[in-house]
Amino acid sequence: DTAVSQTPKYLVTQMGNDKSIKCEQNLGHDTMYWYKQDSKKFLKIMFSYNNKELIINETVPNRFSPKSPDKAHLNLHINSLELGDSAVYFCASSSDRAATNEKLFFGSGTQLSVL
Amino acid sequence: QKEVEQNSGPLSVPEGAIASLNCTYSDRGSQSFFWYRQYSGKSPELIMSIYSNGDKEDGRFTAQLNKASQYVSLLIRDSQPSDSATYLCAADRGSTLGRLYFGRGTQLTVWP
Repeated sequence: DTAVSQTPKYLVTQMGNDKSIKCEQNLGHDTMYWYKQDSKKFLKIMFSYNNKELIINETVPNRFSPKSPDKAHLNLHINSLELGDSAVYFCASSSDRAATNEKLFFGSGTQLSVL
Repeated sequence: QKEVEQNSGPLSVPEGAIASLNCTYSDRGSQSFFWYRQYSGKSPELIMSIYSNGDKEDGRFTAQLNKASQYVSLLIRDSQPSDSATYLCAADRGSTLGRLYFGRGTQLTVWP
């Protein structure tokens, strides 16, 4: 069984479109994250949710809206896609908010290509 | 200003050698440090964590932390071709729980 699963794995779309990425974890973790990894491998946190509550919202454009219907799911909706949004988006989860227990379990990533 | 800096490499070592990966961080509030390994096209996976000054060993991996110098390193002994990957250094944002800052990664190639 996959611990953190996200879909789709690949997403190719035109500029201006709206798209969603879904993420689910079956580890029983309370905290979930969205990370963005650019073409130079720079991995940057976007959002963090703890028990459906938004904890971290980095300086991400308002076009990005996370939604957590329950603590096992964290979806990412992106409006009006731009070329600069092309990247790999990783969902992750951890069992504890405390940084000392910050073992992140990552999903397999979603390669988003905006044309 | 970047929070975590790594030499991007690539670093190339022969099989059986020691690979040394280095990382510096700028936030003195950081208390926890991590090394993640990422194979090409795959997701990062945690291989080492360190919280106290000094060395921490786990099999062929040794993490070293020097908070005074704000320096973290990872040594891989008896390097194997299967160790070829990008290694990401991460540090927590001391003042904000649940937030990790990653470096840009060092690409390691171990040739047979």
